[in-house]
Amino acid sequence: GENVEQHPSTLSVQEGDSAVIKCTYSDSASNYFPWYKQELGKRPQLIIDIRSNVGEKKDQRIAVTLNKTAKHFSLHITETQPEDSAVYFCAASSGGSEKLVFGKGTKLTVNP
Amino acid sequence: NAGVTQTPKFQVLKTGQSMTLQCAQDMNHEYMSWYRQDPGMGLRLIHYSVGAGITDQGEVPNGYNVSRSTTEDFPLRLLSAAPSQTSVYFCASRSAGGPGTQYFGPGTRLLVL
Repeated sequence: GENVEQHPSTLSVQEGDSAVIKCTYSDSASNYFPWYKQELGKRPQLIIDIRSNVGEKKDQRIAVTLNKTAKHFSLHITETQPEDSAVYFCAASSGGSEKLVFGKGTKLTVNP
Repeated sequence: NAGVTQTPKFQVLKTGQSMTLQCAQDMNHEYMSWYRQDPGMGLRLIHYSVGAGITDQGEVPNGYNVSRSTTEDFPLRLLSAAPSQTSVYFCASRSAGGPGTQYFGPGTRLLVL
């Protein structure tokens, strides 16, 4: 089955800096890659997603890139703000399966 | 729309007790799933359903049962609670027709003594 590895497990940046979180997946049939943000004590919420027919997607300060050949995808947050502090999860889903497999998460801390 | 709702918010059980975690959604979503979240382990899929009457196992199904008699409800049953089932449980739903946005419930925090 699918296996998703996420790095780093913790990331600390200064306000205004960029943050990058990377994930690799094992199933070459995977075709959907969402990113979820979870604030302390809250539920995970989708912030951006990308499908395998697209190499990059941007939404204001966040972007996701996908390299199908290398089977990895990354989340980029620019001009970080304290409210970006949260745990971020990547996930992958195969087109032949309804299952979404999550990475173990990255705790991002943005220091003012 | 209330979205995805879960009850209870918090529950304490003794080892060996059984209970049902409730999940309901009012978005007419065909796909529903249960995850457990443990520190450092991310979200792990327990069971999922692609429609009423259809369920399947996820990564960590042992010790849990599910059923889906209606589109709206997807209860998770703990048959005989164990301390290893202490966790935060999230229910999620999405529409059918391929992968897309999953909407999570607020979670149930379960402590098994």
